[in-house]
Amino acid sequence: DAGVIQSPRHEVTEMGQEVTLRCKPISGHDYLFWYRQTMMRGLELLIYFNNNVPIDDSGMPEDRFSAKMPNASFSTLKIQPSEPRDSAVYFCASSPQGIAKNIQYFGAGTRLSVL
Amino acid sequence: AQSVTQPDIHITVSEGASLELRCNYSYGATPYLFWYVQSPGQGLQLLLKYFSGDTLVQGIKGFEAEFKRSQSSFNLRKPSVHWSDAAEYFCAVGRLGGGYQKVTFGTGTKLQVIP
Repeated sequence: DAGVIQSPRHEVTEMGQEVTLRCKPISGHDYLFWYRQTMMRGLELLIYFNNNVPIDDSGMPEDRFSAKMPNASFSTLKIQPSEPRDSAVYFCASSPQGIAKNIQYFGAGTRLSVL
Repeated sequence: AQSVTQPDIHITVSEGASLELRCNYSYGATPYLFWYVQSPGQGLQLLLKYFSGDTLVQGIKGFEAEFKRSQSSFNLRKPSVHWSDAAEYFCAVGRLGGGYQKVTFGTGTKLQVIP
């Protein structure tokens, strides 16, 4: 398996623009997570899905952030409008069902810079 | 609520020297415990995990960790560090039991290896 695939790897945008980050989880994994990593706040869980359904979005910072999972093989994280303080590395991770469901497999991340 | 503390933000060791990274957790029941490694520009990769049983667990790349319930610790060790071990290391705790609970990550320890 190719692992968790995120695109783009780098995104540079201007304040106020819409940004869409994409994630393809590992085939057969039922859980998908979106994290944000910054120097100041470390690794923060934004939202996670189980079987394409959002379960916990309490980490989403504000209404400018939204996430969808239209099918088992694709998820998006959208920021609209973007602000400079959204600059961070965004990771997607997936996890299987069963006893191993707490093991998360991470993508390489998307480094977002909002100017 | 569960929490993880990694008291060392940054550690420097000489190549060939032994390594111990500290991790303390707070959780009321028996936890799942993990160590992840993040190389520069990459996502997190699982090094090892503790679910139950033998409290000394072996992981990839020659790493091991010991679960000590009395000390609420799960320290990561390696007898001889290689230059390629330079990375950031994250301890994480998850809930043991049915249903999914989100995994809580520590703030990370950055390891520098000097020749």
